[in-house]
Amino acid sequence: AQKITQTQPGMFVQEKEAVTLDCTYDTSDQSYGLFWYKQPSSGEMIFLIYQGSYDEQNATEGRYSLNFQKARKSANLVISASQLGDSAMYFCAMRGGTGANNLFFGTGTRLTVIP
Amino acid sequence: EAQVTQNPRYLITVTGKKLTVTCSQNMNHEYMSWYRQDPGLGLRQIYYSMNVEVTDKGDVPEGYKVSRKEKRNFPLILESPSPNQTSLYFCASRNRGNTEAFFGQGTRLTVV
Repeated sequence: AQKITQTQPGMFVQEKEAVTLDCTYDTSDQSYGLFWYKQPSSGEMIFLIYQGSYDEQNATEGRYSLNFQKARKSANLVISASQLGDSAMYFCAMRGGTGANNLFFGTGTRLTVIP
Repeated sequence: EAQVTQNPRYLITVTGKKLTVTCSQNMNHEYMSWYRQDPGLGLRQIYYSMNVEVTDKGDVPEGYKVSRKEKRNFPLILESPSPNQTSLYFCASRNRGNTEAFFGQGTRLTVV
């Protein structure tokens, strides 16, 4: 069974500072994908970044990077140079196995950026 | 513009009154899914579809039905809604492979 754990219900970060949002996962699949989504107060789900289990390099997308540590089964999201618009709920998710159709989500971390 | 469109965005209904939430995507995606989001639980998959006329249950299918008669549309049907189906619902679509899912804007449903 797949499981995603986000242990930080809420985080605060000063504007322009970097912040790390934690995510650990559990799966017996060899092939899987890890995703991060942002949900602002308006409610929509915005895709941020993807890491494949066989990708040797950590994924990066602009100010977002994914710190992938396969042996520890962790996929932490790092946001550099935080902006006020980064205040939102962040979800880590995983899809496992070939042809798998379910995205398993963590419970989310609410990030607040302080001016 | 590539998008997933859900309607309605907000709905308040009474117990037992059948309702349908529509979902349409314009990206020619094969895979479509419905999720519900509840506080403290993240998002959980209700149903998914791998192609036209191919649907299957997700983790929380009880009380819901879906259909996939056309590739672009994937409506969610609540035959007899109950208060425990009050939730925020998302439709999503994606291509084959381990690609990201594109989400609709969400439908906030309240059953009284």
